[in-house]
Amino acid sequence: GENVEQHPSTLSVQEGDSAVIKCTYSDSASNYFPWYKQELGKGPQLIIDIRSNVGEKKDQRIAVTLNKTAKHFSLHITETQPEDSAVYFCAASRGSGYSTLTFGKGTMLLVSP
Amino acid sequence: EAGVAQSPRYKIIEKRQSVAFWCNPISGHATLYWYQQILGQGPKLLIQFQNNGVVDDSQLPKDRFSAERLKGVDSTLKIQPAKLEDSAVYLCASSLKGGSTDTQYFGPGTRLTVL
Repeated sequence: GENVEQHPSTLSVQEGDSAVIKCTYSDSASNYFPWYKQELGKGPQLIIDIRSNVGEKKDQRIAVTLNKTAKHFSLHITETQPEDSAVYFCAASRGSGYSTLTFGKGTMLLVSP
Repeated sequence: EAGVAQSPRYKIIEKRQSVAFWCNPISGHATLYWYQQILGQGPKLLIQFQNNGVVDDSQLPKDRFSAERLKGVDSTLKIQPAKLEDSAVYLCASSLKGGSTDTQYFGPGTRLTVL
């Protein structure tokens, strides 16, 4: 089955800095890669996703890049703010039928004022 | 629009006891998911329903876990008997049609502690 590795497990940055979280996946058939943000005491919330026919996608301060050859994808957050502090999860699926999401172990991002 | 509702939010039980969790998905969502999230890990799918039928329960420990979704709306997840390793947050999610690229909306979860 699919295996998703996520790094780093924790990331501390100063407000205004950029943050990058990286994930690798094992199943070459995976072609859908969402990112979720989980705040304390809440369920994960989708923040951005990318499909295999696209190399990069941006939404305001967040962007995701995908390298299918290397089987890795990354989340980039620019101009970080304290409210960006949360746990971020990457996930992968085959993106067909009812194929399920496999999640990474998460990255705890702490943005200091 | 109301989100995914779950109850209870917290539950503490002793090993070998039974416990049940309830989920009410977003209105009109055909697909409902139960995930187990152990501390420090990402969510792991336990079971996926499409309306009131099971699509995937390959990772559900069927000797102790059961789930049902009567009438294709609310769902309950039961553990009987519970083990120490079942301590985790149980997340319910729903999506509109269930396609693998559909956005999944998560509830706040139920934190289970087994002593």
